[in-house]
Amino acid sequence: EVQLVESGGGLVQPGGSLRLSCAASGFSFSNYEMNWVRQAPGKGLEWISSISESGNPIYYADSVKGRFTISRDNAKSSLSLQIISPRPEDTAVYYCARAGYRFGWDYFDSWGQGTLVTVSS
Amino acid sequence: DIQMTQSPSSLSASVGDRVTITCRASQSISRNLNWYQQKSGEAPKLLIYGASTLQGGVSSRFSGSESGTDFTLTISSLQPEDFATYYCQQSHTTPRTFGQGTKLEIK
Repeated sequence: EVQLVESGGGLVQPGGSLRLSCAASGFSFSNYEMNWVRQAPGKGLEWISSISESGNPIYYADSVKGRFTISRDNAKSSLSLQIISPRPEDTAVYYCARAGYRFGWDYFDSWGQGTLVTVSS
Repeated sequence: DIQMTQSPSSLSASVGDRVTITCRASQSISRNLNWYQQKSGEAPKLLIYGASTLQGGVSSRFSGSESGTDFTLTISSLQPEDFATYYCQQSHTTPRTFGQGTKLEIK
């Protein structure tokens, strides 16, 4: 069974830093692109970053570029998101999501339960 | 960036109703359109990919279609477990943008 388990969320002050992790199991992690998607309280879904199977290429949404860093450790089946200088508008539930591929289509076919990040002084 | 516009933003319906949700892309995305269901307090769940292909394990009550840049999610006969928020998402280009969501509520 595919499992994605996020951790590392919590309260962080503006200008601080935080590192989110996603532990993957039940599939061959190194064969899948991985993503982070967030959801502000009461709002919709926002894709924020992706990392390919090998770790390159990496993409970011403009809203987090230069402040967030995605990385992966295929040996440990782990995905990370380093958040630098967070802003109040970064307050959200952060989900890790696996990108699946079939017949030329790609989609997010497995999601973790999410970890809440609250940015406040 | 490609903008995805869903309508309606909310919808009230009854068990047994047929419901349609629409998603319009700001430019051509071929059939690179996915639909997700999110229940309160839960992670999103993939329903349909490639505009019309049902994800494994998803009820055949759900179907998707495409006409140019307009995409439709149809639920043929609403069941109590279908009341949730639905999102479309384009996977044609990065950033992979989502629609703003459609909240389906019980009438």
